[in-house]
Amino acid sequence: DQQVKQNSPSLSVQEGRISILNCDYTNSMFDYFLWYKKYPAEGPTFLISISSIKDKNEDGRFTVFLNKSAKHLSLHIVPSQPGDSAVYFCAASARNTGNQFYFGTGTSLTVIP
Amino acid sequence: DAGVIQSPRHEVTEMGQEVTLRCKPISGHNSLFWYRQTMMRGLELLIYFNNNVPIDDSGMPEDRFSAKMPNASFSTLKIQPSEPRDSAVYFCASSLGQGSATNEKLFFGSGTQLSVL
Repeated sequence: DQQVKQNSPSLSVQEGRISILNCDYTNSMFDYFLWYKKYPAEGPTFLISISSIKDKNEDGRFTVFLNKSAKHLSLHIVPSQPGDSAVYFCAASARNTGNQFYFGTGTSLTVIP
Repeated sequence: DAGVIQSPRHEVTEMGQEVTLRCKPISGHNSLFWYRQTMMRGLELLIYFNNNVPIDDSGMPEDRFSAKMPNASFSTLKIQPSEPRDSAVYFCASSLGQGSATNEKLFFGSGTQLSVL
């Protein structure tokens, strides 16, 4: 059963605008969340993370928001650039499951120049 | 550091053949993970090791799949016999493996594209 869900398989955004990628999870024990970015023919690379003690974490153009009551997190990219075109995976982990990371199915972002 | 190294990058085989995928984790990392990427399930965890010991293999699809980690710098994922539905990209990843550390993150290899004909 998929514990981390990304319900939008794809997203297209104009260059310069905001990209918002969404992720939902079902396990209330998850307390650490990450976003990974994947280009074709490459492995996923770490982008940004957030602990459950926070509701926002920012790194340059990337901001992750966490809504624990809704079991929802989102990644905002502002402004979007053509180089941001990639597949984005959301991942979650719970301390009581050690180092296991559960991933979503990914959202393919296309930034149109 | 060279990062996580996987081989081969591409593997094409016929149904029924044995396939072995290889992984060298980042030096000093204590945890190693095998993932399979499919359209339907995204990145699906197959098995993970901590200090060379398998911790959770509940994601391994069936007995045709097996994984080993004989030492801290090498792991294999074997499929025997292979079937067309095993065709996917298989990723190896490693992490420091510091338990509940919230700065823990996975470092992925480039993956092995497996095609079973």
